[in-house]
Amino acid sequence: AQKITQTQPGMFVQEKEAVTLDCTYDTSDPSYGLFWYKQPSSGEMIFLIYQGSYDQQNATEGRYSLNFQKARKSANLVISASQLGDSAMYFCAMREAYAGNNRKLIWGLGTSLAVNP
Amino acid sequence: DVKVTQSSRYLVKRTGEKVFLECVQDMDHENMFWYRQDPGLGLRLIYFSYDVKMKEKGDIPEGYSVSREKKERFSLILESASTNQTSMYLCASSLLGQESQPQHFGDGTRLSIL
Repeated sequence: AQKITQTQPGMFVQEKEAVTLDCTYDTSDPSYGLFWYKQPSSGEMIFLIYQGSYDQQNATEGRYSLNFQKARKSANLVISASQLGDSAMYFCAMREAYAGNNRKLIWGLGTSLAVNP
Repeated sequence: DVKVTQSSRYLVKRTGEKVFLECVQDMDHENMFWYRQDPGLGLRLIYFSYDVKMKEKGDIPEGYSVSREKKERFSLILESASTNQTSMYLCASSLLGQESQPQHFGDGTRLSIL
């Protein structure tokens, strides 16, 4: 079963508007971390934001914020004031700690975001 | 800033060749990873290493091997390249034991096997 689900293969947003990219996850581990990455067409993976399972507040980094709903097991990325340069693939990933191995990430399949001028 | 450098952005090789993909990081990270990325399949972990000379299989290790002789360098080896290994290969590194620390990626290598 997929542990990270990104239900939106593709999204469109108008420049300067906000957009939410969905991510749901499945884990029985009480300690875990969630990451969002951006991958432009050039190919490099860029880390955007991190949310720990015990963090009391939603993470924010500039125009990026996480809508973290632990009971629903969702960690949606919100991009405010979209820019043309935000057009890219966005990946959600999870790190579990129960196996004593906190090295590997479990990845979603990504959402392609296109920002329209 | 963390710098992860992959030796080639684009590489074209022939079926049956032995192919080396090199990755170097400059932040003294213990963990290093090799992924392949294919359309519709996301990122799949091939191998990772958490120390010099240590390696662990990921989800799709078949047809690949790795080498980590020095902490900063992690090499992916295609022993006998096949056309189904045409893909985007991504190297990453991270600190050991730091749950909030992300994996840092190189620019990727687009490998074509003809």
